[in-house]
Amino acid sequence: EAQVTQNPRYLITVTGKKLTVTCSQNMNHEYMSWYRQDPGLGLRQIYYSMNVEVTDKGDVPEGYKVSRKEKRNFPLILESPSPNQTSLYFCASSKLWDRKVYSPLHFGNGTRLTVT
Amino acid sequence: AQTVTQSQPEMSVQEAETVTLSCTYDTSESDYYLFWYKQPPSRQMILVIRQEAYKQQNATENRFSVNFQKAAKSFSLKISDSQLGDAAMYFCAYGILGRISNFGNEKLTFGTGTRLTIIP
Repeated sequence: EAQVTQNPRYLITVTGKKLTVTCSQNMNHEYMSWYRQDPGLGLRQIYYSMNVEVTDKGDVPEGYKVSRKEKRNFPLILESPSPNQTSLYFCASSKLWDRKVYSPLHFGNGTRLTVT
Repeated sequence: AQTVTQSQPEMSVQEAETVTLSCTYDTSESDYYLFWYKQPPSRQMILVIRQEAYKQQNATENRFSVNFQKAAKSFSLKISDSQLGDAAMYFCAYGILGRISNFGNEKLTFGTGTRLTIIP
């Protein structure tokens, strides 16, 4: 089954304790991205990757790191989490779009992170 | 910068009735896509419908249809014959082709969402 798998689904941690949220896709997609969802703000892009070893910042990258060493995996790293990073996080992937040829964005099921 | 505005934080509709969710956007691009996503309590992000900006015809998917007004930068979602399973948060989103090499969906820009309640 084609899917984007995020783990964990729920995570509670304390300020300053490094954590990693994993994301893996089995569709051989070049493009992967992380979003955070907050009430009243919708979803905002954190980082994205166009392919292996190619990553770039989205709208809200501060406090986050990513890596893309393999095509299927795109982990999100919080080196020193703070309470303002409490949020719902989504990983997404798609094939790269060709002009006029749409490729749907596949979302994972989300990770609810609470930083106390 | 592109922005997407959903001015209705909450909407409710009687089961079997029709409801329209509003969305406006701001862009200087001419070539882009617009989407409506549904997020039920399970938190999944489910694509409901998409519209290519170069197409004049409004997209339709079963009970879901859009009213795309390119000049007005408006993209509303109409849900006909509302069902209990339609209860969810609905997000309007905008996406453009990448600039790096004419490839890639670098990001979707989302609105703040409209929570739809279905009244039995």
